Amino acid sequence: DIVMTQSPDSLAVSLGERATINCKSSQSVLYSSNNYNYLAWYQQKPGQPPKVLIYWASTRESGVPDRFSGSGSGTDFTLTISSLQAEDVAVYYCQQYYSTRTFGQGTKVEIK
Amino acid sequence: EVQLVESGGGLVKPGGSLRLSCAASGFTFTNAWMSWVRQAPGKGLEWVGRIKTKTDGGTTDYAAPVKGRFTISRDDSENTLYLQMNSLKTDDTAVYYCTTDDHWNRYWGQGTLVTVSS
Repeated sequence: DIVMTQSPDSLAVSLGERATINCKSSQSVLYSSNNYNYLAWYQQKPGQPPKVLIYWASTRESGVPDRFSGSGSGTDFTLTISSLQAEDVAVYYCQQYYSTRTFGQGTKVEIK
Repeated sequence: EVQLVESGGGLVKPGGSLRLSCAASGFTFTNAWMSWVRQAPGKGLEWVGRIKTKTDGGTTDYAAPVKGRFTISRDDSENTLYLQMNSLKTDDTAVYYCTTDDHWNRYWGQGTLVTVSS
């Protein structure tokens, strides 16, 4: 099974500042035949189901603000919130879908 | 509008069984791969398993902790997804979410709570 490891487990960022979350997979999730990274990012707010933000590592889901961006390839990925807003307080998860599916352990984002 | 509504959760004793249902609407269920994802209280997300469409063979895959105990099935005539859970353990206590599976999980239900306790 592919293990997904996120860092940090939590971070506190001032409003308007950048938040960066890292995700590392135990093996590459880049499918060589199509050059796609099988990696998604989710946001979960308290009491709500998760919401997909990014898929194929860098494609933003429809309706997701452009302050959210995804990057990386192979085994190392990053979710960046360019200018943190109050409504972005949540737990963020990466997920690989290269081989069945597994989630990272989550990163809690708070306001400093 | 896509809707996924889970039901069937509740309190069950260790070793017991429970069947969850997920009623789907707002999309062509027959054409959708579907997954179950769970979340233990205060913990992260854990993928449980997935079922493909009949066209794609209707096959299932499961996470290691539930393999051999849980079974996912679907009734395309009723637009309903099921999760049969047997030999339940206290570690299975969680909110269980039904999700569409387009590789990533785009649509989610609100979840149903399963509590395994004596």
